Amino acid sequence: DIQVTQSPASLSASVGDRVTITCQASQDINNYLNWFQQKPGQPPKLLMYDASTLETGVPSRFSGSGSGTNFTFTITSLRPEDIATYYCQQYQNLPPEVTFGPGTKVDLK
Amino acid sequence: QVHLVQSGAEVKKPGSSVKVSCKASGDTSNIYAISWVRQAPGQGLEWMGSIIDVLGRTHYKQNFQGRVTFTADEVSKTAYMELNSVRLEDTAVYFCTRGLIAGHMKFWGQGTLVVVSS
Repeated sequence: DIQVTQSPASLSASVGDRVTITCQASQDINNYLNWFQQKPGQPPKLLMYDASTLETGVPSRFSGSGSGTNFTFTITSLRPEDIATYYCQQYQNLPPEVTFGPGTKVDLK
Repeated sequence: QVHLVQSGAEVKKPGSSVKVSCKASGDTSNIYAISWVRQAPGQGLEWMGSIIDVLGRTHYKQNFQGRVTFTADEVSKTAYMELNSVRLEDTAVYFCTRGLIAGHMKFWGQGTLVVVSS
């Protein structure tokens, strides 16, 4: 099975800061890597798919990059409504296999 | 747009079964993959498996194999997840999701809390 690690586990940042989260897969997953945002008491929300494609309606301050085993998720200017836990997720299609990273909790400094 | 509504919270005894439903509204004609994800209290997300196409073919994560069954009725647009022989550690919020493929979890249900307690 493909394992996914994510760092940091948590971070504190100020409004307007640039926030970067990294995700590493245990083997080459091409660009089959998605990013989710989850706020307390809510289901996750798909923000980014295939490493760098922004889901419809997601603000452009969110971005993603990477391919192979190393990926990065960036919030260019943190806003209060971005306080949440962020998960990366790798997927394989045939047969389907999905693994989530352990999550990064982002809060305000 | 697709909206997913799940059944209500459940409290189960160890060894019993639980069945969670997930009803879709909106255009589901091209989002065949229905995945189930669970989240234990204060923990991360765990994929349980998926119904991968309109034929209802399923794929289960290995550690749930033999204990979980996914079904779907496209007429009523309702999917079901049945977990048998539940254990204390199955206490979690269970989410259904739909997307074009199993890994593309675009739409999510609100979650169903399942508590296993003796």
